[in-house]
Amino acid sequence: DVKVTQSSRYLVKRTGEKVFLECVQDMDHENMFWYRQDPGLGLRLIYFSYDVKMKEKGDIPEGYSVSREKKERFSLILESASTNQTSMYLCASSSSLHTQYFGPGTRLTVL
Amino acid sequence: TQLLEQSPQFLSIQEGENLTVYCNSSSVFSSLQWYRQEPGEGPVLLVTVVTGGEVKKLKRLTFQFGDARKDSSLHITAAQPGDTGLYLCAGAYGNNRLAFGKGNQVVVIP
Repeated sequence: DVKVTQSSRYLVKRTGEKVFLECVQDMDHENMFWYRQDPGLGLRLIYFSYDVKMKEKGDIPEGYSVSREKKERFSLILESASTNQTSMYLCASSSSLHTQYFGPGTRLTVL
Repeated sequence: TQLLEQSPQFLSIQEGENLTVYCNSSSVFSSLQWYRQEPGEGPVLLVTVVTGGEVKKLKRLTFQFGDARKDSSLHITAAQPGDTGLYLCAGAYGNNRLAFGKGNQVVVIP
């Protein structure tokens, strides 16, 4: 079975803090994705990566950056957290066949 | 931007009843996935359909991909409380990207 793990299930941070969310997959997938999910807005793509050290902006990249130094690991960075970044963050991975597999999510609250 | 509309947004039924939910778009997708998500958890993949007109069954769940690959339906026979959840459809386009609908929230009452 594909396994995608995320470093934290729940996280509380203060405005202005730098926040790191980590995601690891064990299926040697080339592609990895970061989404946020908000009520009424659905899943929105923040960033994705096709290969190590490769990244592309999704639909809402403002306020976020990413890092992919190893194939199995994809990190999302909030440089200076703001209250409007309070959300559920979901990581996913896929091979070249389109189907994405999701991690359990991180519920981030920014105070 | 690829848009997927899911209907109905919310559906509440009694245990044992049948239900159908829909996922529609004006765009053509190379494949379509259905996921189920429970509160506080990530979406779990149920099925991927690839060919227009394709029908796939997963126990009491039947998934159909439209002939034109623009829409899909999910039918649940004899719903159980364990079927409760948010059902998300996602269409594949471009280079490995998915467009998501906002989901069908299904509640099955015992």
